Amino acid sequence: GAGVSQSPSNKVTEKGKDVELRCDPISGHTALYWYRQSLGQGLEFLIYFQGNSAPDKSGLPSDRFSAERTGGSVSTLTIQRTQQEDSAVYLCASRVSGSFYNEQFFGPGTRLTVL
Amino acid sequence: SQQGEEDPQALSIQEGENATMNCSYKTSINNLQWYRQNSGRGLVHLILIRSNEREKHSGRLRVTLDTSKKSSSLLITASRAADTASYFCATDEDTGNQFYFGTGTSLTVIP
Repeated sequence: GAGVSQSPSNKVTEKGKDVELRCDPISGHTALYWYRQSLGQGLEFLIYFQGNSAPDKSGLPSDRFSAERTGGSVSTLTIQRTQQEDSAVYLCASRVSGSFYNEQFFGPGTRLTVL
Repeated sequence: SQQGEEDPQALSIQEGENATMNCSYKTSINNLQWYRQNSGRGLVHLILIRSNEREKHSGRLRVTLDTSKKSSSLLITASRAADTASYFCATDEDTGNQFYFGTGTSLTVIP
């Protein structure tokens, strides 16, 4: 009965390196979202997965960002050639789909620091 | 794309007082939700109000929605120190696929 989990909880990397962030949604939730939150800011939408449909990638800030969702469950957000401005908390959320009136359940986030 | 905007950005009150924060958005919605965030990590859902509802209560929370003004308010009554957190409103598009979060209101309740 676990909630949404994310790993790692913290990641420190050097500028130019690639990073992978993982999200395990709640079992049975077909919708999965990635957000980015910079210090003291609101949530910035990155990408949305819904079942087997093509993901909505409209929020990805550059082509260095990509995400996959395998088997309709676990998702990985990859940032290539990281930059210092990528430093933020990356939040994942899942939702039961099929209705407009369902809440999102958030994971604890991954705090990414690019040196 | 639409985005909720909360005001005030920061609010500091004494324990026991009521806290009111507001959210404005830009286009038509299916629902509006309020979330709470502690310490910059995961968000917790507080309450959802549908576009055809005008007011909703949950414990010490009261949410109103005025679709003609495209605004919502969250009232926390009899505040406690444990209510200290950031509060965000989130709105969806007509398709209900995406959610758009505002920049949040940082609430501090002083014991």
